[in-house]
Amino acid sequence: DSGVTQTPKHLITATGQRVTLRCSPRSGDLSVYWYQQSLDQGLQFLIQYYNGEERAKGNILERFSAQQFPDLHSELNLSSLELGDSALYFCASSVGSISGNTIYFGEGSWLTVV
Amino acid sequence: QQQVKQSPQSLIVQKGGISIINCAYENTAFDYFPWYQQFPGKGPALLIAIRPDVSEKKEGRFTISFNKSAKQFSLHIMDSQPGDSATYFCAASRKGGTASKLTFGTGTRLQVTL
Repeated sequence: DSGVTQTPKHLITATGQRVTLRCSPRSGDLSVYWYQQSLDQGLQFLIQYYNGEERAKGNILERFSAQQFPDLHSELNLSSLELGDSALYFCASSVGSISGNTIYFGEGSWLTVV
Repeated sequence: QQQVKQSPQSLIVQKGGISIINCAYENTAFDYFPWYQQFPGKGPALLIAIRPDVSEKKEGRFTISFNKSAKQFSLHIMDSQPGDSATYFCAASRKGGTASKLTFGTGTRLQVTL
């Protein structure tokens, strides 16, 4: 158990809908990362927050948004969902925002868009 | 643009054999190179990591070899066991700045047979 908690574990929704994925980082970790894992794209970095502030942005679609709240939990919002958004979404956390900080991953949220 | 290239895509090794997975990178600003292990239905978990100031790091049966001039690093699993069957990802992160996101390779699915 990494200590990173993600909900829901599984989610099935229709195209055009909006979903919110939730993440609680490890106790004491200030950085939160979101990654998307699909069969053909591997682990793709979406976005990083550190203590509520956005620190890095990857290939995150405009239909997707994220935020980190004062209690350090984070949410990833996916809207106008398309079939191609079906993937495993991972949240990860680390204590800081320096290269070399160990990054711990949650068990992911499986999103299926039908 | 694939900043970290990983090979092979899949690997079958007999029990007791040596598993070798290779990665190459382009960005000389990378200064931290972890390997993650992922079992089906689970999130990636840190296995072992190295900085470019050393050429080798060993932890139990797992060894990272690092060649800074060639911009390559590899994971060796000695005495491979069926329990090592998993997907392995190499990764890298950049020094400096205020972000610590990992850029992942495409993964290697390892199967250790009896």
